[in-house]
Amino acid sequence: GAVVSQHPSRVICKSGTSVKIECRSLDFQATTMFWYRQFPKQSLMLMATSNEGSKATYEQGVEKDKFLINHASLTLSTLTVTSAHPEDSSFYICSAIINGELFFGEGSRLTVL
Amino acid sequence: GQQLNQSPQSMFIQEGEDVSMNCTSSSIFNTWLWYKQDPGEGPVLLIALYKAGELTSNGRLTAQFGITRKDSFLNISASIPSDVGIYFCAGAPFTSGTYKYIFGTGTRLKVLA
Repeated sequence: GAVVSQHPSRVICKSGTSVKIECRSLDFQATTMFWYRQFPKQSLMLMATSNEGSKATYEQGVEKDKFLINHASLTLSTLTVTSAHPEDSSFYICSAIINGELFFGEGSRLTVL
Repeated sequence: GQQLNQSPQSMFIQEGEDVSMNCTSSSIFNTWLWYKQDPGEGPVLLIALYKAGELTSNGRLTAQFGITRKDSFLNISASIPSDVGIYFCAGAPFTSGTYKYIFGTGTRLKVLA
């Protein structure tokens, strides 16, 4: 069964609004989670590493003020896309590590109008 | 961000044929993972490899961790229509006590019945 759950699966918003995506680990505690972004017909690009109880670590070129990550508990990490614009439309996928293996959530399709 | 070279980019095969794809990297990796992604969903882990030279099977799937630690391949035997999807490799050097996986460019597989 699934070990990582993500919500919402789809969201459509107006330009300038903020959108929050939740990622939960099911039946295990995840001190570290990873957020990936995937454009159509492309690979997965790591955006940031979410660390429980501390600041997220962002990959080069990812704006930390645009993509706010909060990892307030051992089972929940959230990604907030602030002041979203059409170019932020993408497929966002979270993941967590179990015994060195990376398991993904279902993904969240964001469409910014 | 960094990506692994994965080939072929896409392939059309007849049902029942065997399929082979591979990934190469300029860096040494400690772990290789292979995923399958269906449209609109998160990637699903197929096989994990941890040791150079390791050969691991999962049903009709077989994957190997290259001796140089810079490559890996995935074979699918006797393909069936439900094998359609995008296959990604992912590799990770183990640094700072966590795994930051880098993904391949993907192989899009289409199976003709």
